[in-house]
Amino acid sequence: DVKVTQSSRYLVKRTGEKVFLECVQDMDHENMFWYRQDPGLGLRLIYFSYDVKMKEKGDIPEGYSVSREKKERFSLILESASTNQTSMYLCASTDRVGEQYFGPGTRLTVT
Amino acid sequence: AQKITQTQPGMFVQEKEAVTLDCTYDTSDPSYGLFWYKQPSSGEMIFLIYQGSYDQQNATEGRYSLNFQKARKSANLVISASQLGDSAMYFCAMSPVQGAQKLVFGQGTRLTINP
Repeated sequence: DVKVTQSSRYLVKRTGEKVFLECVQDMDHENMFWYRQDPGLGLRLIYFSYDVKMKEKGDIPEGYSVSREKKERFSLILESASTNQTSMYLCASTDRVGEQYFGPGTRLTVT
Repeated sequence: AQKITQTQPGMFVQEKEAVTLDCTYDTSDPSYGLFWYKQPSSGEMIFLIYQGSYDQQNATEGRYSLNFQKARKSANLVISASQLGDSAMYFCAMSPVQGAQKLVFGQGTRLTINP
């Protein structure tokens, strides 16, 4: 059974903290994605990676960075968390045209 | 750039009725894929159905079908015989066929099925 896991379902951080969101997939997929979901805006792409150590900016990369040191793991980093980064973060992976597999999401609150 | 528009923020339907969720798209890519995802209140994104832009027939998956009208750039989701468990957010999305298949999502439609 295919699986994408995320390190936390809920996370509360303070403004200015460095935040790491981890995503792991067990399907040997080349492509991995980080999305942010906000009410009324749908999901928006932050960053994606098409291979180990390769990354590309999505539509809203400002304030975020990513790391992909191993094929199965894709990390999203908030260098200095701000209240406007309070959101639901969803990781996904795929290896072909068709379905993207999503993780359960991390609801991040920055206070 | 690709763009997806879902114009129905919310819909209310009686159980067992069919429901159509609207989706229009805009793209300059010659080849693309269209997707529908369901997101229940638990938050996980559940893949429902996929349509390739060159597919001749509309995609179907059980009670779900995708009404693909390429000239009108629409990709509406039809759910037949709705059930209470169909209550959820529904997202339409698209991606290019070539490359990393990054998805562009619409704003979503919240579907409520009434008993």
